[in-house]
Amino acid sequence: DAKTTQPTSMDCAEGRAANLPCNHSTISGNEYVYWYRQIHSQGPQYIIHGLKNNETNEMASLIITEDRKSSTLILPHATLRDTAVYYCIVRVEGSARQLTFGSGTQLTVLP
Amino acid sequence: ETGVTQTPRHLVMGMTNKKSLKCEQHLGHNAMYWYKQSAKKPLELMFVYSLEERVENNSVPSRFSPECPNSSHLFLHLHTLQPEDSALYLCASSQSRGARSGYTFGSGTRLTVV
Repeated sequence: DAKTTQPTSMDCAEGRAANLPCNHSTISGNEYVYWYRQIHSQGPQYIIHGLKNNETNEMASLIITEDRKSSTLILPHATLRDTAVYYCIVRVEGSARQLTFGSGTQLTVLP
Repeated sequence: ETGVTQTPRHLVMGMTNKKSLKCEQHLGHNAMYWYKQSAKKPLELMFVYSLEERVENNSVPSRFSPECPNSSHLFLHLHTLQPEDSALYLCASSQSRGARSGYTFGSGTRLTVV
């Protein structure tokens, strides 16, 4: 699976959009971009994933650049409950291989 | 509740004890995983079971022994652990093929070895 690079930490004001970047310059054609988050001392939670088109669900939006070398997770109106570590992972969809987590981005939503 | 249930939530055990962690899923998934998360470290994959067969063991010491009796249950048997084994142990499940929704994780067992 391709390696990803994320900033170590970010702050965001409550009510504003949180934009979390991820670089995955070695992504291959059949690898999807997945985002998970982990609130302190809980299990990671799936957020969203995509291949090349932008995706949106009830939690977030995922914007993938045309060359697929980077992506941005957008939380449109961040709340204090969105404070968590956000992980960007690339892997082949349907692969039986393990999900490999990096260090992620610690997002802190400030009141 | 995510659909993956782990028990107990917290466990304190001595180095000579034997204990087991339990994970249960009723999502119809056919792959299950054990991860370990030590303080301030990324999640580390320990074991992967697909269709009840262990398909991966990431050089985990033998004092950790997994068991998958059926596709809904996964255990992690612990014996003669060390203090450095204290960590959050997370179970996850997925469809091994076409995992569009990704992995579903449990809330974890916080293990303290004294």
